[in-house]
Amino acid sequence: DVVMTQSPLFLPVTLGQPASISCRSSQSLVHSDGNTYLNWFQQRPGQSPRRLFYQVSNRDSGVPDRFSGSGSGTDFTLKISRVEAEDVGVYYCMQGTHWPPWTFGQGTKVEIK
Amino acid sequence: QVQLVESGGGVVQPGRSLKLSCAASGFPFKEHGMHWVRQAPGKGLEWVAIIWYDGSNKLYADSVRGRFTISRDNSKEMVYLQMDSLKIEDTAVYYCVRGYFSGTWPFDYWGQGTLVTVSS
Repeated sequence: DVVMTQSPLFLPVTLGQPASISCRSSQSLVHSDGNTYLNWFQQRPGQSPRRLFYQVSNRDSGVPDRFSGSGSGTDFTLKISRVEAEDVGVYYCMQGTHWPPWTFGQGTKVEIK
Repeated sequence: QVQLVESGGGVVQPGRSLKLSCAASGFPFKEHGMHWVRQAPGKGLEWVAIIWYDGSNKLYADSVRGRFTISRDNSKEMVYLQMDSLKIEDTAVYYCVRGYFSGTWPFDYWGQGTLVTVSS
């Protein structure tokens, strides 16, 4: 199984400041079709997960452009350019290249300082 | 709009069974694969099972294979998760999640979840 490792696991941030979350996979996520199936999810307190990005950097509808996804191979990053209060929650990366199983990172908890 | 509504959760003793249901609407259900993903209290997300759009193929996480069965009824736009021989470690919120279909990418819509508590 592909192991997804996120860092940090806890990220206190100041409002208006940038934030960055790293996600590393135990093997390359480049599929034989050339695509890279790496998703990012946000889970606000008390809510279901919400997909933010698919295939590394494709932003889902309604996701603010202060969020960005990047990376390749085994190293991926989710960035928030200026953190807002509504961004508090837990962020997960997930790979969909080598399945089954689809595997998630441990989650990174973002909170305001 | 796309809606996924889970039901059937509750408190059950170890070794007993429970069946979860997920009612789908707002999209061409019979064209999409469907997943179940779970989240133990205070923990991360764990993929559980997938069923192909036509029910022809089903895959399971190692932790549930042989105990859980995923199924669907396209005429009713429902997906199910039959959970047998439940263990305490199966305690979690279970989410129904939309899977792949041409032009869409999986895990784009999630239900609100249903809580399963396995306890004696």
